[in-house]
Parts: sequence; C-alpha cells; structure tokens
Amino acid sequence: QSALTQPPSASGSPGQSVTISCTGTSSDVGTYNSVSWYQQHPGKAPKLLISEVNKRPSGVPDRFSGSKSGNTASLTVSGLRAEDEADYYCSSYGGSNNLLFGGGTKLTVL
Amino acid sequence: QVQIVESGGGVVQPGRSLRLSCAASGFTISTHGMHWVRQAPGKGLEWVAGLWADGINKNYGNSVKGRFTISRDTSKNTVSLQMNSLRAEDTAVYYCARDLGFWELQFDDWGQGTLVTVSS
Repeated sequence: QSALTQPPSASGSPGQSVTISCTGTSSDVGTYNSVSWYQQHPGKAPKLLISEVNKRPSGVPDRFSGSKSGNTASLTVSGLRAEDEADYYCSSYGGSNNLLFGGGTKLTVL
Repeated sequence: QVQIVESGGGVVQPGRSLRLSCAASGFTISTHGMHWVRQAPGKGLEWVAGLWADGINKNYGNSVKGRFTISRDTSKNTVSLQMNSLRAEDTAVYYCARDLGFWELQFDDWGQGTLVTVSS
C-alpha cells in the first residue's frame, strides 16, 4: 500500500487560516474514520492534534480542526501563530491491521 | 502523568541485531496497544510494528516483516523491539507510542525517540 499524499509545503500569515490535505484511496481514508493528524516541531516527537477525523484531545487549541470528504482528509489551522510552524502528518488505517502515514507537510508562518 | 522512554539505540553493522526498549509509566501497557514508529533522517513517519492491548496480536509494516519482533513485559511495563538482519535503510529515530485504546492505530503519547544507525 502507498503512503497517503500530502502537499510538501503550505504557508500563511499570522492570523490567517491554512488547510492541509491528505489524499488516500477508497481502501483507507475513504472507508475508515481512523484518520489522525500529528504536529512535529524540529527535533521533537510527534504530537497528536486530531483523532478519528475531527476529535481534538484535551489541551489542543480549537484553532485546529479536521474533516474528511471522500478519499481526502483535511486539517485546518485557523488564526495562525508563529508556534504553528512545524511539520504536519496525517495517518489512516489502511485495512489488514496496517497503518499508513502521509509524507508530511511543512507549514511556514510568514 | 504518562511518560514513555526509549533506549537501546546505537550504531550497528548491516546484518547484525539490536534490541530497543520502551519503558512506560503513568499507565498500564496491558490496557493500551503499543507501537513503534520510525523516522529516517530528513524523512517522514513510518509505522513499524504494533502490539494489541491483549498482548497476543501483533502486526508489522511490510518493510520489517520477518525481521523485527515486538513484545512486552507487563511486570516491568515495558515494550521491546527486536531487530534482526538490519539494513542501511533501517537507519532512523525509533519512537515508541501509546495507542488511544486497545487497537485504534492512533497515538496519543510518544517517547522522545532513540536513534539507530546501521552502517559498516
């Protein structure tokens, strides 16, 4: 199975909104709601931002939101802040007890 | 407070073996699935292996099947990854991660990672 497809980069100015896409297939993102998003700052471990398409763990600001349409999941970051500059990864259950990650998107806050 | 600490990384020659350990505290590993996820230098995340909360079912990524084995010791609340027949492409930071539940394949807590370098 192939990795999920994310744009390599995204950017926005402080206060703006940015949406990062994660495209899979009908065998993974399109079928299962086990879609997650992770934030990773340089040299740090990933941090769970969104689980099950659109659920935010406690402590994650509501500026982060997730959604899904067909085979594509999306992460929207509203009210961009300098500290949001990081790498973002999506993941999805891929069937047969297998997990797929996206290639990652580097978010730059201009 | 949940804490996950990996150890055991280092430099190893191709074809040799290495065993990673993951010490968990603040929760009981028998109530959560546990996983290993790796990240090659400058690259993205790759799921390596997972152990269901029942401690019986195990699953592996295609690139490590037949070479890596995940296990746990509930008496010590630790998870291990035995890596055999190592290859240069196994070079990565290896993270231990806690599953949201029994087997959700979504990870709510991660360790800081341990670096494995496979080189002659």
